[in-house]
Amino acid sequence: SAVISQKPSRDICQRGTSLTIQCQVDSQVTMMFWYRQQPGQSLTLIATANQGSEATYESGFVIDKFPISRPNLTFSTLTVSNMSPEDSSIYLCSVDFGGIGELFFGEGSRLTVL
Amino acid sequence: DAKTTQPPSMDCAEGRAANLPCNHSTISGNEYVYWYRQIHSQGPQYIIHGLKNNETNEMASLIITEDRKSSTLILPHATLRDTAVYYCIVRGSGAGSYQLTFGKGTKLSVIP
Repeated sequence: SAVISQKPSRDICQRGTSLTIQCQVDSQVTMMFWYRQQPGQSLTLIATANQGSEATYESGFVIDKFPISRPNLTFSTLTVSNMSPEDSSIYLCSVDFGGIGELFFGEGSRLTVL
Repeated sequence: DAKTTQPPSMDCAEGRAANLPCNHSTISGNEYVYWYRQIHSQGPQYIIHGLKNNETNEMASLIITEDRKSSTLILPHATLRDTAVYYCIVRGSGAGSYQLTFGKGTKLSVIP
């Protein structure tokens, strides 16, 4: 199993500002994923973040809006840039230790943009 | 688009078995069936996964049909804490296939 800590757990932000969400894992992981869950909706994959390479973004998500860092095997950040109310969502970090095993999820960061 | 179809909601009496169906008629030979659940305000939790054989763990059983086009997650004795959204996900095993694509899931309500 894995312990995944996300910070902040929730925040209220003003439109036009940016917020960086941190994801810390208690052990080294190969792959990390960032998901978004809009109110009342299912989870949507934003990007895959592997250490030592650029993040791979899914259709509809771009690096300028959601820059991601993956400086080492236990940590990643997701920044939500130039926020608008439409960015109000829960952002979740997920990790995979490799292969076909289970993915572990953090508890999410609930973002409200006013 | 998600590769699975699930009923949007189900009810189950507390103490009874909850049987959650999932259709994945386009599943390919190297794709696994995964089940996750999301309890309100929490991150998704892994339940079980399988390729073609039935699987059982401490949480649930997974029954996959012989043609692999559908499966059923069984919670043998549902409790109120099992109330959650249950996601059936098809996931590949090759490079570039490790991410999970979530559909809308089934909202299971366990009733006292």
